[in-house]
Formats: sequence, C-alpha cells, structure tokens
Amino acid sequence: KNEVEQSPQNLTAQEGEFITINCSYSVGISALHWLQQHPGGGIVSLFMLSSGKKKHGRLIATINIQEKHSSLHITASHPRDSAVYICAVTYTGGSYIPTFGRGTSLIVHP
Amino acid sequence: DADVTQTPRNRITKTGKRIMLECSQTKGHDRMYWYRQDPGLGLRLIYYSFDVKDINKGEISDGYSVSRQAQAKFSLSLESAIPNQTALYFCATSDFARGGADTQYFGPGTRLTVL
Repeated sequence: KNEVEQSPQNLTAQEGEFITINCSYSVGISALHWLQQHPGGGIVSLFMLSSGKKKHGRLIATINIQEKHSSLHITASHPRDSAVYICAVTYTGGSYIPTFGRGTSLIVHP
Repeated sequence: DADVTQTPRNRITKTGKRIMLECSQTKGHDRMYWYRQDPGLGLRLIYYSFDVKDINKGEISDGYSVSRQAQAKFSLSLESAIPNQTALYFCATSDFARGGADTQYFGPGTRLTVL
C-alpha cells in the first residue's frame, strides 16, 4: 500500500518561531498537496506542487522528487496558524485519488 | 455562499437507523468524493464519482452507499448506522487537471454520532 508519512505528529511552538512539517511518500507521484484543517473542522488547500518550491505569505512548501520528501515551513508563526496540516499525494498510474497523511497538529502559543 | 455545502452539519442518531448525508456544489466540477475522518487516522475515501454515471467504491465503502443525483449533488447513506460509523464526514469536489493533479475543495463537514 502506498503510504504518506508525516512528522511530527504534534508540534507546539511559541509565537514568532520558524516551523517545519515534513512529509514522505513511497512511490512516484503526479502532485503533492498541503492542506490546512482549522480547529472548527474546515479543510482548505494551501499548495499543490510537483517540483521545486511555492510560497504564499508566510508559508513555504518545498518538494524533493528524488528523495520523495516535502516540507511545509511557516515563518514568524502566529497563534492563528494553529491548525492540523495535512499532506496528500496523488500517485502516477492510478485514478489520481489523493492519499492522505494523518496530519500534524500545530499549536502556536502567544 | 460556500461552494461546497453539506447537510446536516451535525447529527446524532441511534444504532440501526438509516441516515443520509447530502452534499451540493456550485463549482461546476464533475468529480465528487466522500471521506470520513477519525482521530489519528486521517481522511479515508468512502466513495467517489467522476461524473453522474460513474460511481466507485473507495477504501472503506462497506456499510455505506451513495447516489449522484446530478452533477452538483452527491449523497451518502448509512443503511443501518452502527456506533463505529461515528466520525466526521467530508464531501469534496475536484475538476480534472491534465496530469491528474486535481485540487480538492472540501465541504464544511458533517459530525455524525451513532449511539
């Protein structure tokens, strides 16, 4: 079974800290997605990437295709960044249904 | 107005009852999905539909059925609810992208409790 592994599972930080969340996968992919799930439950897509790096505000997502690894970075973290961050991949050769990681729960204290 | 809506948002029911969760979208997407989320397990696919005439089982379809009434509507039914179906249920949509890299758009979720 194709797996998506995220680390850490839980993360606590102080406001202003630089945050890194990691995602590893097992086989070739067509795309990797980072999603954010707010404490109220809603899920929004942050990034979709297949190579290189993308940036949106204080969020940066990178992917290394050779190492089958992606990172989500949050610069100058803020309490409103507290959420669950979910990595998902769509594998090549399949129906392109995403496979989801279990999520990383981030709490940022003021 | 939200692009993907789910009704109801919360539901408490008893073992053995039939339950329907409804999903509507205004994004004009052909692809729709039902997922369940359990603490510590992440999102798992129940059923998906790539168009009105296409219905496919996902990873955990046992105990569930679906109906794609129109491009915009995709309903999930629990024929005889059991307590281990207590979970947060999400509907999602996507539009086919060349190379298969669809972005998924999620509804707000339905919190279902089966007593």
